[in-house]
Amino acid sequence: GAVVSQHPSRVICKSGTSVKIECRSLDFQATTMFWYRQFPKKSLMLMATSNEGSKATYEQGVEKDKFLINHASLTLSTLTVTSAHPEDSSFYICSAKSISATGRRGKLFFGSGTQLSVL
Amino acid sequence: AQKITQTQPGMFVQEKEAVTLDCTYDTSDPSYGLFWYKQPSSGEMIFLIYQGSYDQQNATEGRYSLNFQKARKSANLVISASQLGDSAMYFCAMREAQSNFGNEKLTFGTGTRLTIIP
Repeated sequence: GAVVSQHPSRVICKSGTSVKIECRSLDFQATTMFWYRQFPKKSLMLMATSNEGSKATYEQGVEKDKFLINHASLTLSTLTVTSAHPEDSSFYICSAKSISATGRRGKLFFGSGTQLSVL
Repeated sequence: AQKITQTQPGMFVQEKEAVTLDCTYDTSDPSYGLFWYKQPSSGEMIFLIYQGSYDQQNATEGRYSLNFQKARKSANLVISASQLGDSAMYFCAMREAQSNFGNEKLTFGTGTRLTIIP
């Protein structure tokens, strides 16, 4: 089946530093990728929709300058948490939509997530 | 208002028994899709089953079936013959059709933690 690789799986950083998370579709092309944030024992909250070759669409309340998204190719989207603070500590997970999706299912495939801890 | 409601924060079920996880949704869009995902402790999201709003029959995928009651706006997941490996968080999600192609967002419920007891 289709695989989405998300890296790193875990990162610990100091407050004020920037962290880049990669989401890569390994065996399919994805024009659209989604970035979610999940707090412990909470649901996934959509942060932004990343479209290849264009600017990301951010959900209400998500700081664009804080969470930089780049979708440079059909197989790679990156989320950079800039000037990270302890409140940014969370589980971040991406999903990718296959370019060959037909019908209603949309064939979304999820990465394995990144646990970010900001000290 | 909550778009996806999962009222069971946690459930304990004996192995080999069937289990129903509840999910209700709210939308005014006539075209939508409903999903169930499983999230083990490792964190990845595993797709289980999909139901389209216009599908006439309830979706089934192996031991998973979706009890879709459109008038009640409910989409409960039924797992038959539960196994120890079924212990995980389960999320119900909805995708509403949007005018912009590609921006088909999933809205997730708060999840149900299912624990299978040997």
